[in-house]
Amino acid sequence: GAVVSQHPSWVICKSGTSVKIECRSLDFQATTMFWYRQFPKQSLMLMATSNEGSKATYEQGVEKDKFLINHASLTLSTLTVTSAHPEDSSFYICSAKYRESGNQPQHFGDGTRLSIL
Amino acid sequence: GQSLEQPSEVTAVEGAIVQINCTYQTSGFYGLSWYQQHDGGAPTFLSYNALDGLEETGRFSSFLSRSDSYGYLLLQELQMKDSASYFCAVSPLDNAGNMLTFGGGTRLMVKP
Repeated sequence: GAVVSQHPSWVICKSGTSVKIECRSLDFQATTMFWYRQFPKQSLMLMATSNEGSKATYEQGVEKDKFLINHASLTLSTLTVTSAHPEDSSFYICSAKYRESGNQPQHFGDGTRLSIL
Repeated sequence: GQSLEQPSEVTAVEGAIVQINCTYQTSGFYGLSWYQQHDGGAPTFLSYNALDGLEETGRFSSFLSRSDSYGYLLLQELQMKDSASYFCAVSPLDNAGNMLTFGGGTRLMVKP
């Protein structure tokens, strides 16, 4: 069964709106979660690493003021796309590792398809 | 840094065997993972190689050769439902293996 839950699965909104996406680890604690973005027919690109109780680590080129990440508890990380514009339309996916070690796979949420009109 | 190369597209017929290759350049990694992603869906974990050699999981097998900077995913007895994109990914040593760097993905089309 699913170990990572992501909500909502699909959002359509007007330009300028801020959108919050939630990522929850089910039945396990995830001190680290990851946020990816995927454009059509492209690979997953890591946006940021979300750390419980501390600031997120953003990848080069990702605007931290535009993509706000909050990891308020051991089971919840949120990504807020602030003042979204059509170019922010993409598939956003979160993931978490069941155990914090290098050789464990990541489990992905079902993704959020964001469409900005 | 990390760089992973995969063929962009592979086509095969139902019942056949297909191999998806992944060549990489990295500064060190814990292991090579493979993920499957159907259109509109999220990636699902398929297989992981920490050591050189072959890992078998049902119809899917994955291979790693660190000396050759090369790995592959082998899919046997192909079914129509195997049509999807397949990504190889590494867990870099310089991030405690916590992050994944993905290859560009291979779109597999299985035909009847």
